Amino acid sequence: QVQLQESGPGLVKPSETLSLTCSVSGASFTNYYWTWIRQPPGKGLEYIGYIYYKGSTNYNPSLESRVSISVDTSNNQFSLRLRSVTAADTAVYYCASTSRGRPFDDWGQGILVTVSS
Amino acid sequence: IVLAQSPGTLSLSPGERATLSCRASQSVTSGYLAWYQQKPGQAPRLVIYATSSRATGIPDRFSGSESGTEFTLTISRLEPEDFAVYYCQQYATSPHTFGQGTKLEIK
Repeated sequence: QVQLQESGPGLVKPSETLSLTCSVSGASFTNYYWTWIRQPPGKGLEYIGYIYYKGSTNYNPSLESRVSISVDTSNNQFSLRLRSVTAADTAVYYCASTSRGRPFDDWGQGILVTVSS
Repeated sequence: IVLAQSPGTLSLSPGERATLSCRASQSVTSGYLAWYQQKPGQAPRLVIYATSSRATGIPDRFSGSESGTEFTLTISRLEPEDFAVYYCQQYATSPHTFGQGTKLEIK
């Protein structure tokens, strides 16, 4: 079982960039798709995107112009950057793992990020 | 692929049978549809994958099925710990979309 832990600032100002990191343990970093998902307070789940350990990415078209996901295989981490945030980006952000033909098997505990001045 | 879950809220008593629906806007290739359970303040937990396969540690009172583009999660006899929000998710086509959720509450 993969263990995942999100980290980063809990408060971001409007128009700035949200940056989060997910630390992975308990499994090989290879052969997985490392994913970000978010959940606004009281609402449902939204897929943000994933990065394959080799570096290829896939993003939700609704966020693609503002999002980037990167990977640091030497430290078993992957990161999310979301630019030009607004209050609508306030959410609990989860990192998760998946592999080809699999759903999201393992999730981090989530981190609440609030966008406010 | 858009996933529409129904009902929005389901009120039942422990011991009763729960039937949750997830309708896809188009075919879900290879039956790549999953169900997750989410309790307040917790991350979602995988319950069912590939339409009808139970995830590790999930009791056999949980089952999944499909008929065309309609997918169903059935909980045969509700236990107190089953009351939660359930989301369906397709992972056949990018972007991997979720349904809006069904809240299963104690009547």
